[in-house]
Amino acid sequence: EIVLTQSPGTLSLSPGERATLSCRASQSVSSSYLAWYQQKPGQAPRLLIYGASSRATGIPDRFSGSGSGTDFTLTISRLEPEDFAVYYCQQYGSSVTFGQGTRLEIK
Amino acid sequence: QVQLQQWGAGLLKPSETLSLTCAVYGGSFSGYYWSWIRQPPGKGLEWIGEINHSGSTNYNPSLKSRVTISVDTSKNQFSLKLSSVTAADTAVYYCARRRTYYYDSSGYVPGYNWFDPWGQGTLVTVSS
Repeated sequence: EIVLTQSPGTLSLSPGERATLSCRASQSVSSSYLAWYQQKPGQAPRLLIYGASSRATGIPDRFSGSGSGTDFTLTISRLEPEDFAVYYCQQYGSSVTFGQGTRLEIK
Repeated sequence: QVQLQQWGAGLLKPSETLSLTCAVYGGSFSGYYWSWIRQPPGKGLEWIGEINHSGSTNYNPSLKSRVTISVDTSKNQFSLKLSSVTAADTAVYYCARRRTYYYDSSGYVPGYNWFDPWGQGTLVTVSS
């Protein structure tokens, strides 16, 4: 099973700042099989990025994804108040696994 | 626009069987895998398993012995059964569509994987 480790566990930033979230895989993951989700309290996860770098429909362009192999990054260029949430990466290999999440909180 | 609506019992006793159903509205049922994912309170996401319209299934190895996912194509619904539940199975359970392709200006683009959309979630509590 491929283990995804996200860092940091919690990120404290202010609106307008840049956020960089990391997702590291225990073995190489195909970029086309790496996705990112945003989850707010009481809501289902929302797809942000698929194929490591493609934004889902309706996702603002301040969200971007990059990376390959074992290291992937989600970047939010300028934080808006509604961006403070928990973010998960997910991979599909022989099975599906999610990272443990990064909580993005207001500083 | 595809929407998923799920339902099922929210309170179970240890050793009982969890049963949830998810209905798919507004889109094609074939050509996708239909998944169940759970999230214990305050914790992360765990994939349980999936099924396609033909009935082909894939399960999380850690849950495989207790999980059955079935499909009713006549109703565009799929269901989850998890047997012998314990308190550790207390979680919000989500249904979701796993997409493996998309279309762009070039046409059909295979070889991708992501979950979208998701159902609203059902909190299942296991307590004696």
